[in-house]
Amino acid sequence: GQNIDQPTEMTATEGAIVQINCTYQTSGFNGLFWYQQHAAEAPTFLSYNVLDGLEEKGRFSSFLSRSKGYSYLLLKELQMKDSASYLCASLDSNYQLIWGAGTKLIIKP
Amino acid sequence: DAGVIQSPRHEVTEMGQEVTLRCKPISGHDYLFWYRQTMMRGLELLIYFNNNVPIDDSGMPEDRFSAKMPNASFSTLKIQPSEPRDSAVYFCASSLAGVRGEETQYFGPGTRLLVL
Repeated sequence: GQNIDQPTEMTATEGAIVQINCTYQTSGFNGLFWYQQHAAEAPTFLSYNVLDGLEEKGRFSSFLSRSKGYSYLLLKELQMKDSASYLCASLDSNYQLIWGAGTKLIIKP
Repeated sequence: DAGVIQSPRHEVTEMGQEVTLRCKPISGHDYLFWYRQTMMRGLELLIYFNNNVPIDDSGMPEDRFSAKMPNASFSTLKIQPSEPRDSAVYFCASSLAGVRGEETQYFGPGTRLLVL
């Protein structure tokens, strides 16, 4: 079956660093997406990885290991506005996105 | 670009009534997706279209749900008759084809549906 696992909730402190992990098992693989979703808003695209390694975009970085079926999203210099849910999604062999349930990130001052 | 446009933004209706949700994708996008999101089940893909043709509707819960895309700039999701368990946020998203392996989906603001 197809499965995406990520923690339900995480808490971190403003100014700190947090890593949100995601493991995936999908029929085929054509890339891994991370989306951010603030409460009562739509998901917005953060990153896409298809090759192994780290992709950095400002305060946000995303890592992929295809052999391990593993990705993480790294958020640095946390700000209160980073409080949101972070959704991991894998693009399968049919180019369909398989979504995780999301990780709710709570930032404390 | 205005992004993906959905209407209405909020809908409150009574059980048994027909509900129609509307979506205008980003101009030039070939794919259109309808999702449903609830606390219990997260984000679920209901159906998606490629060049106005339904490709996969396996996520549509049952015959009460139907979706159409009469042209490249408009799609509807209809629920008839509606039930309280249909209460959720319904998102429409669109993406470009052609750049295989990087089908970033852009989401509309969603329609918050409450069926009483």
